[in-house]
Amino acid sequence: GQNIDQPTEMTATEGAIVQINCTYQTSGFNGLFWYQQHAGEAPTFLSYNVLDGLEEKGRFSSFLSRSKGYSYLLLKELQMKDSASYLCAVMDSNYQLIWGAGTKLIIKP
Amino acid sequence: DVKVTQSSRYLVKRTGEKVFLECVQDMDHENMFWYRQDPGLGLRLIYFSYDVKMKEKGDIPEGYSVSREKKERFSLILESASTNQTSMYLCASLGGEAYNEQFFGPGTRLTVL
Repeated sequence: GQNIDQPTEMTATEGAIVQINCTYQTSGFNGLFWYQQHAGEAPTFLSYNVLDGLEEKGRFSSFLSRSKGYSYLLLKELQMKDSASYLCAVMDSNYQLIWGAGTKLIIKP
Repeated sequence: DVKVTQSSRYLVKRTGEKVFLECVQDMDHENMFWYRQDPGLGLRLIYFSYDVKMKEKGDIPEGYSVSREKKERFSLILESASTNQTSMYLCASLGGEAYNEQFFGPGTRLTVL
């Protein structure tokens, strides 16, 4: 079966760095996505990785290793507004998105 | 600016009622999706459509149907609502230059009593 695993919840301190991991097993691979979702709101796109390596976009970076079925989202210089759920999703061979359950990130002052 | 809208943010219905959830996108996207999101679970795909009048079942189509009569509008129908359909329903569209990104509507929180 297809499976996306990510931690349920993480806590970090304002100004610090946090890494949210995602492992996947899917039938085929056409890219991995990270979305941010604030409570009660719709998910918003953060990043897309289809090749191995690190993609940096401001304070957020996303890494992919296809051979290991592994990705992480790195958030630097954490701000209170980064408190949200972070969703990992993989596009399978049918170009359908398989979603993880999301990681709730709690930022403490 | 990309925009996906849904007809209601909050909806309360009775068991057995027919429920319509509407989604409209203004980006001329070909592909549209309906998901439900429940605590502790990932987004689960109910139905998707890749063109007008075309529809495909997702992972959990039972108890739902859809309609895509116009490119910009994708409707989700609960023929006879049940309490286990209480959930957050999210519509998304995909297409254009950012073909790898799904744009989501604000969601409809449906409660079936």
